[in-house]
Amino acid sequence: DQQVKQNSPSLSVQEGRISILNCDYTNSMFDYFLWYKKYPAEGPTFLISISSIKDKNEDGRFTVFLNKSAKHLSLHIVPSQPGDSAVYFCAASDIDNDYKLSFGAGTTVTVRA
Amino acid sequence: NAGVTQTPKFQVLKTGQSMTLQCAQDMNHNSMYWYRQDPGMGLRLIYYSASEGTTDKGEVPNGYNVSRLNKREFSLRLESAAPSQTSVYFCASSEAGGGGADTQYFGPGTRLTVL
Repeated sequence: DQQVKQNSPSLSVQEGRISILNCDYTNSMFDYFLWYKKYPAEGPTFLISISSIKDKNEDGRFTVFLNKSAKHLSLHIVPSQPGDSAVYFCAASDIDNDYKLSFGAGTTVTVRA
Repeated sequence: NAGVTQTPKFQVLKTGQSMTLQCAQDMNHNSMYWYRQDPGMGLRLIYYSASEGTTDKGEVPNGYNVSRLNKREFSLRLESAAPSQTSVYFCASSEAGGGGADTQYFGPGTRLTVL
């Protein structure tokens, strides 16, 4: 049973606008969350992370929000750029599972010029 | 500093053949991982090694074996390949040993097709 879900397989956004990617999880023990970005024919690259003791973390154009009560996190990209076109994976982990990562299925983002 | 490297990049096997996927990291990381990625399913953990000399099963270990050869290298072996093992395989490493919250860094992947 998939514990991390990204319910939107794809997202199309105009250059310069905000991209919002969503992720839901079912395991209340998860306490560390990450977003990875993946280009075709390459491995995933780390983008940003957040610990459960925080509700927001920013890094440049990327902000991750965590809502523990709703078991929901989101990634905001502002402003979106053509180089942001990629697949984005949400991942979660917890100490009871040796911090092994559980991944969502990914959201493909296309930034239109 | 190459990060995480994987060989080969592509491989085609016939059902029943065996092969070993190689992975090496030069970041002095303690933990290493093998994942497979299938369409619509994200990445699933096959095996991991929290430190040199230890290996443990992940979510989908059946049909695979691993060897943590030393701190740098972690190989994945398919003893008798099956079409269900057609996938893209990623190796990853992280600094934390023994399962600390940490960032995993991925290699470029091996695309395997089993006919």
